Amino acid sequence: EVQLVESGGGLVQPGGSLRLSCAASGFSFSSYWMHWVRQAPGKGLVWVSRINSDGSTTNYADSVKGRFTMSRDNARNTLYLHINSLRVDDTAVYSCARGVVGASASAFDIWGQGTMVTVSS
Amino acid sequence: QSVLTQPPSASGTPGQRVTISCSGSSSNIGRNTVNWYQQLPGTAPKLLIYSNSQRPSGVPDRFSGSKSGTSASLAISGLQSEDEADYYCAAWDDSLNGVLFGGGTKVTVL
Repeated sequence: EVQLVESGGGLVQPGGSLRLSCAASGFSFSSYWMHWVRQAPGKGLVWVSRINSDGSTTNYADSVKGRFTMSRDNARNTLYLHINSLRVDDTAVYSCARGVVGASASAFDIWGQGTMVTVSS
Repeated sequence: QSVLTQPPSASGTPGQRVTISCSGSSSNIGRNTVNWYQQLPGTAPKLLIYSNSQRPSGVPDRFSGSKSGTSASLAISGLQSEDEADYYCAAWDDSLNGVLFGGGTKVTVL
């Protein structure tokens, strides 16, 4: 079964750090662009970042640039999101998603269920 | 505030046709294809339409997408109760060098 499973979320104080993980299974992980998308409680989807198949290229939303770092370990079929200098408005469910081969950069065909990050003092 | 603009809500009775618009600009929809997602309550988003009008395997042909200029639309024909969900458009933005989502449209089946 093609699957993405996130972990690493939790309650963090403002200014803190977290590392989110996304374990991929059931497909050739190293062949796909991967993305992180977040959704604050009761709000819409917001794209966070993307990484190419070999990890050499990353892009970030302006709101997280300089604070978030996306990486991947293709040998472990795992995606990461290192989050620093957390702010209250980073509170959201963070989901990883797989890019569709041959489609635009905003097409994601497999999504994880997400991991909740709560930033509060 | 989303750069891709969607109406916050839409509704219809069973069997009706509902259309959701997504308005962007030359740097996003005007230059790149649009994708649509359906998010049922408490679940992960599901790719509904990609490349403006293509349906992934398993998506009913009641769902259709189109794009013209800097706008796109999603149509749901033969509305069913299970179509109650939030719908999001998405497109790459060449100026921002990132993906933009619309603010989402909540579809209610009356």
